[in-house]
Parts: sequence; structure tokens; C-alpha cells
Amino acid sequence: AQSVTQPDIHITVSEGASLELRCNYGATPYLFWYVQSPGQGLQLLLKYFSGDTLVQGIKGFEAEFKRSQSSFNLRKPSVHWSDAAEYFCAVGFTGGGNKLTFGTGTQLKVEL
Amino acid sequence: DGGITQSPKYLFRKEGQNVTLSCEQNLNHDAMYWYRQDPGQGLRLIYYSQIVNDFQKGDIAEGYSVSREKKESFPLTVTSAQKNPTAFYLCASNTLRGGNTEAFFGQGTRLTVV
Repeated sequence: AQSVTQPDIHITVSEGASLELRCNYGATPYLFWYVQSPGQGLQLLLKYFSGDTLVQGIKGFEAEFKRSQSSFNLRKPSVHWSDAAEYFCAVGFTGGGNKLTFGTGTQLKVEL
Repeated sequence: DGGITQSPKYLFRKEGQNVTLSCEQNLNHDAMYWYRQDPGQGLRLIYYSQIVNDFQKGDIAEGYSVSREKKESFPLTVTSAQKNPTAFYLCASNTLRGGNTEAFFGQGTRLTVV
């Protein structure tokens, strides 16, 4: 079965500081990061299917696929107050309805 | 604008009642999904459908039912058999073409049992 783990439930960073949100996956090649503002749906930040292991996304986010560590951590060099939200890592595969399995999420708080 | 529309945004239900959540998409996507979100548990798959008139159970289908009579629509009914229905419900869709597994989400419906 697919699996995805987000070890950090809550993270607090100061505005302007760098950010890294952790994600560890099971045996699957398709990886995603989504962001959710309170009471809203999910917005795709970036995705990895194959190729270059450093993936650029929207809003200045990037993620690096590391097969040796089974990780797909999300990073941002300088956090803005508007980045405060919940972040979900997800894994998927083609076939069987292309279902996604989500991690439990990391709640990001940004201190001004 | 293309997208996924969920309605209503907020829904209140008395215990013992069935309620239906609406999900419509104009993206011409083949697959549609319903997820349930609870604090600290991420998103869990309730049902999904890859084609009209066909659907499959997800991980937590008990107490829910769906239909897919049109490609654009995938309504979810929360029945009285669902013991703990208060949650945030998210609908999503996917094209299923070109090996793309990216899902697009609606804005969600918050269901509260009163």
C-alpha cells in the first residue's frame, strides 16, 4: 500500500527565515505538495513525476526528491506571513483511478 | 472559468437525517473523488469514480453513498448510518490521461451535525 509520512504536525518560523517541511514516502514515483488555507480547498504547489529531482513550484517553493532517503521535502528560502497555512504531501500512481494518498499535514505558523 | 464547484459551503444536519453534498466540474475530467478531512488526520478517501455510472469505495466508505450519472457531477450522500459525520468534505477531479495524477480540488463543504 502507498504510504506517506509528515513527521511534523506544527512548525513555527519567523518571517524571512528559511523553511523546510519534511515528507517521507513509500514505494511510489508520483509526489505532490498541496497547501490549504483555513476553510478552503487544496492548491497544488508542485509535483514530481520523473526527471530533475529538484522541482520548482508556485509561490517560491521548491522540493527535492531524494530516493536514497525516501524523502520529498518542501523548502522555501524566505517565508512570508501569507505562507501560514497547512501543507500536505501526497503520493500517487497511475492506474486504479489515480488515487492520491495524503500525509496528515503540517501546520505552518509564521511569526512577524 | 474551469473548475470544481462544491455546494453548499456550510451544511447543518440533524441526527438521523441524510444529506447530499454537491460537486460539479467543468474541466472535462474523467475521474472524481470525495475526501473527508478531520483535524490531524489529513484527507481520507471516501469514494471515487473513473467513469460515468461506475464508482468504487475508498478507505472510509461506510455510511456514505455516491452516484455518477453525468461526467460533470459526483454528489455525495451522508446517510444516517455515518456515526460521526461532522467534518470538512473535499471533492476533487483528475483527467486520467497522459499518466497525470494531479488532482484539482473544490473549496469544500463543512458539515455539522446538530
